[in-house]
This record gives sequence, structure tokens and C-alpha cells, in this order.
Amino acid sequence: EDQVTQSPEALRLQEGESSSLNCSYTVSGLRGLFWYRQDPGKGPEFLFTLYSAGEEKEKERLKATLTKKESFLHITAPKPEDSATYLCAVGSGNTGKLIFGQGTTLQVKP
Amino acid sequence: DAGVIQSPRHEVTEMGQEVTLRCKPISGHDYLFWYRQTMMRGLELLIYFNNNVPIDDSGMPEDRFSAKMPNASFSTLKIQPSEPRDSAVYFCASSLVLAGYNEQFFGPGTRLTVL
Repeated sequence: EDQVTQSPEALRLQEGESSSLNCSYTVSGLRGLFWYRQDPGKGPEFLFTLYSAGEEKEKERLKATLTKKESFLHITAPKPEDSATYLCAVGSGNTGKLIFGQGTTLQVKP
Repeated sequence: DAGVIQSPRHEVTEMGQEVTLRCKPISGHDYLFWYRQTMMRGLELLIYFNNNVPIDDSGMPEDRFSAKMPNASFSTLKIQPSEPRDSAVYFCASSLVLAGYNEQFFGPGTRLTVL
């Protein structure tokens, strides 16, 4: 069964305190791993797609990495505006659907 | 492009009433998806269309839910009759290719409250 698990559920950081969010997955025929950011009252906003183990992508203070079993979203020197819920999703080769994790809610305090 | 457009943004209705949610996908996108998001279950796919044709509706919870896509620029999700457990945020998303190969772009959502 295709499954995505994110940890931790919630994370509180001080401004400038770097950390990582984890996304573990099991999927039949991975067709991409996706990271989204969701602000309260808004729809998920696309951040990254990773397609193969070893791939990395960066955007400002965010860096996403991928292995055969998990993905990490590294946040370097976060700012309060990085506070949001970060969602991970995998594309299933079986169904063609995106399977979403429950998300990690990040709060960055000034 | 204005992105995915949804209406209404908020809907409050009473149990038993019919509810219709609307979505306009990004122009040129061949795939359209309807999701439901709740605290308990997270983001769940309800149904998706390819070139206006429903492909997979296995996520539609009950016969009370129906979705249509009469043309490439418009889709509706209807709940009839509505129940309090249908209260959630409903998102529409669109993509150029099948989800597993490319990113989906989400609308702002419709927050539905059924009293």
C-alpha cells in the first residue's frame, strides 16, 4: 500500500536555528516526490519535485534531498516568514495519484 | 495566468441542503483534481479528470457526492444532501500531465461548514 509519513508533526525553531523535516514513503513505482508549503487559509504551494535517489534541489533557505526510502527538507537559518505547514507527497506509478503525508507544521520565532 | 480559481471561498449551509463548489483550472492544463482536507484525514483525493473525462472517482466518499467537467475551463463538485461530516476544506488542483509525473497547482480552497 502506498504510504507517506512525515515527522515531526510540529516543530518550533528560533530564528536562525537550522533543522530538517523528514518524509518517509513506501510506494509502488515512485513517479516523483513533491514538497509543498501551505499557509493558513490557503492552498498548498508547490516547492520542489525530486525524481531519483541522490537528487537535491534548493530554493532560498530550503534544500530538499531524496533517498530510496525518504526525503528531507533542510531549512537553513530560518526566518519567521518560513512558518507554515510543509506537505510531502509521492506520485504513485500504480495509480498516477499523489499520496500526501499529514504535514509538518513549522513555527519560527523571532 | 491567474492560477486555479475556486468559488465560493466560504460556504455555510444546513444539513440536507445541496452544495455546489466551482473550479476553473489553469488554462492548458489537461488534468483536474478535487481534494478534501480535514484535520483528521489530511489531504484526500476525491476524483480526477483528464481532458474533461472522469478517470478515477474511487475517493468519492458516497453517492451524495458528484463531480462534472462540462468543458476544459470549468468543473463542479456537488454534495446532495449535505451532512455535518462533510465539513472540510475542498481544493481543486490542475496539472499539465498526470500527477505522478508533474506538479499540481492548487486553488485557494472552499471552506464548507454544514450545520
